Amino acid sequence: ILNVEQSPQSLHVQEGDSTNFTCSFPSSNFYALHWYRWETAKSPEALFVMTLNGDEKKKGRISATLNTKEGYSYLYIKGSQPEDSATYLCASGPLDSSYKLIFGSGTRLLVRP
Amino acid sequence: DTAVSQTPKYLVTQMGNDKSIKCEQNLGHDTMYWYKQDSKKFLKIMFSYNNKELIINETVPNRFSPKSPDKAHLNLHINSLELGDSAVYFCASSPGTAGANVLTFGAGSRLTVL
Repeated sequence: ILNVEQSPQSLHVQEGDSTNFTCSFPSSNFYALHWYRWETAKSPEALFVMTLNGDEKKKGRISATLNTKEGYSYLYIKGSQPEDSATYLCASGPLDSSYKLIFGSGTRLLVRP
Repeated sequence: DTAVSQTPKYLVTQMGNDKSIKCEQNLGHDTMYWYKQDSKKFLKIMFSYNNKELIINETVPNRFSPKSPDKAHLNLHINSLELGDSAVYFCASSPGTAGANVLTFGAGSRLTVL
């Protein structure tokens, strides 16, 4: 994998459903993995930064895991609420360029009441 | 008090003009960035400055010239604007390298070239 890829591209769920999305990144040139939440007409806001294989981070109903050996991260949202509707971006920081983040195209989540 | 502020928020201009977008951060961060949101909605790094020193210059046409008068400011000047320059440009900052530190983004500046 040369780029950062996210799936699915978009997701519609019902309020109360739990959901998860995937971020794939180049495992051979990895330093850090970021997750951002981006609401329409606002700027992206940081959720998590993870660097170690097996890292798990949690913020309220949102959690993330990291597998650096196989090059993927999962973002989980438990009991989705309409206010969780946003685009979730992941970004990989490569080992050979510590000032660069390579962003995926995002997963657009819509939570129906 | 906005942490990373960009001006203007919207900019509509004619092809061939020269324009600037300004960015200021009051977080005391050492590193600032310009990202361009392309037509497929990807955020692509353009430039990164650390303490006023240019660190990253991604294959951006040299019509784009960043300037960092101090570590709290990073401005983007664009000469001879082309239709393809129409995009949303995001400024961001971080307390050190982007790898281990989260980025704080500005609200974006939407540039439309007619």
